[in-house]
Amino acid sequence: DSGVTQTPKHLITATGQRVTLRCSPRSGDLSVYWYQQSLDQGLQFLIQYYNGEERAKGNILERFSAQQFPDLHSELNLSSLELGDSALYFCASSGQVGNTEAFFGQGTRLTVV
Amino acid sequence: GESVGLHLPTLSVQEGDNSIINCAYSNSASDYFIWYKQESGKGPQFIIDIRSNMDKRQGQRVTVLLNKTVKHLSLQIAATQPGDSAVYFCAESGAGSYQLTFGKGTKLSVIP
Repeated sequence: DSGVTQTPKHLITATGQRVTLRCSPRSGDLSVYWYQQSLDQGLQFLIQYYNGEERAKGNILERFSAQQFPDLHSELNLSSLELGDSALYFCASSGQVGNTEAFFGQGTRLTVV
Repeated sequence: GESVGLHLPTLSVQEGDNSIINCAYSNSASDYFIWYKQESGKGPQFIIDIRSNMDKRQGQRVTVLLNKTVKHLSLQIAATQPGDSAVYFCAESGAGSYQLTFGKGTKLSVIP
């Protein structure tokens, strides 16, 4: 158990809909990262937050947004969903601003139908 | 663009043998390299990391080698066990960068 909790584990939704994925980092970790894992693109960095502030942005679509709350949990919002958004979404956390020993959650499997 | 890739998509080894998983990277500015293990249905699990100022680092049954001249990274697993069966990813980040760039992954299968 990495200590990073993601909910829900599975999500099935229709195209055009909006979903919210939730992540609780390890106790004490200030950094939260979101990654998307698909069969054709592998693991892709989406966005990072540190202590409530956005720190880095990767290949995140404009339809996607994220935030980190004062209690350090984070949410990834995916809107106007398309079939191609079907993927595993992972949250990771670390205790430092950088990526040293980032711990990953179990992921949320999103299926868009 | 910069990318991190793996030489072999699959690797089968006999239980007890040593495994070597290779990774090539193209970003010469990469400062930090990490190996992750991902078992079926689980998130990536940190194995070992190495900074660009090092060429070797050892952990428990694992060794990472970094050859900056040819931009090559390898993960050696000693006495491979069935529990080592998983997909292994190398990842890298540049100095001052907070995002990891992952390779495609190598699937390691251990034959009992």
